Amino acid sequence: GDSVTQMEGPVTLSEEAFLTINCTYTATGYPSLFWYVQYPGEGLQLLLKATKADDKGSNKGFEATYRKETTSFHLEKGSVQVSDSAVYFCALPGYSGAGSYQLTFGKGTKLSVIP
Amino acid sequence: NAGVTQTPKFQVLKTGQSMTLQCAQDMNHEYMSWYRQDPGMGLRLIHYSVGAGITDQGEVPNGYNVSRSTTEDFPLRLLSAAPSQTSVYFCASTLRTGLNTEAFFGQGTRLTVV
Repeated sequence: GDSVTQMEGPVTLSEEAFLTINCTYTATGYPSLFWYVQYPGEGLQLLLKATKADDKGSNKGFEATYRKETTSFHLEKGSVQVSDSAVYFCALPGYSGAGSYQLTFGKGTKLSVIP
Repeated sequence: NAGVTQTPKFQVLKTGQSMTLQCAQDMNHEYMSWYRQDPGMGLRLIHYSVGAGITDQGEVPNGYNVSRSTTEDFPLRLLSAAPSQTSVYFCASTLRTGLNTEAFFGQGTRLTVV
């Protein structure tokens, strides 16, 4: 079945620091890749996505490039803000070993940005 | 513009009690699912539905039941709550199954079983 391996946290950065959260995946077929963000006390919301190899997804200053050759989808931001403090999940849609359709998530990376 | 609505937001149950977590979406999505979120475990799929009248088990279905009588609603039932079911529960929906569809999530239900 599909799997997502995501850099474990927590990650603590100072405001304006550079952020990278690593994500690698194994998948059958050519799924889209997603980054979801969960702000404190809220549900998950889509941050960005890429639908095919070499696509770059971007939103709110975050970027991630779909790298088929390295099966990676690392999340980056050049200058983080306190408001970026959240938990970030890498995810891909696909089918489990038992054949059920689902989104497969990484375990999440908690980011804390300090002023 | 409601999207996916979950109720309640918080719930405390005693061991052995039953309850239903409600989930409704107004986007006419085919696929709905329930996840639980536990520290260090990410999100794990409990049950899912590909349309009204069709449900199936996910990764961690034991102790939970679901039904899908309408496209809009997908309630999750805890039959006899156990402390191991203390978790945050998320309902999600997607327009359809496929390799390019994104999911929309509710705000979550934080359940504590004592």
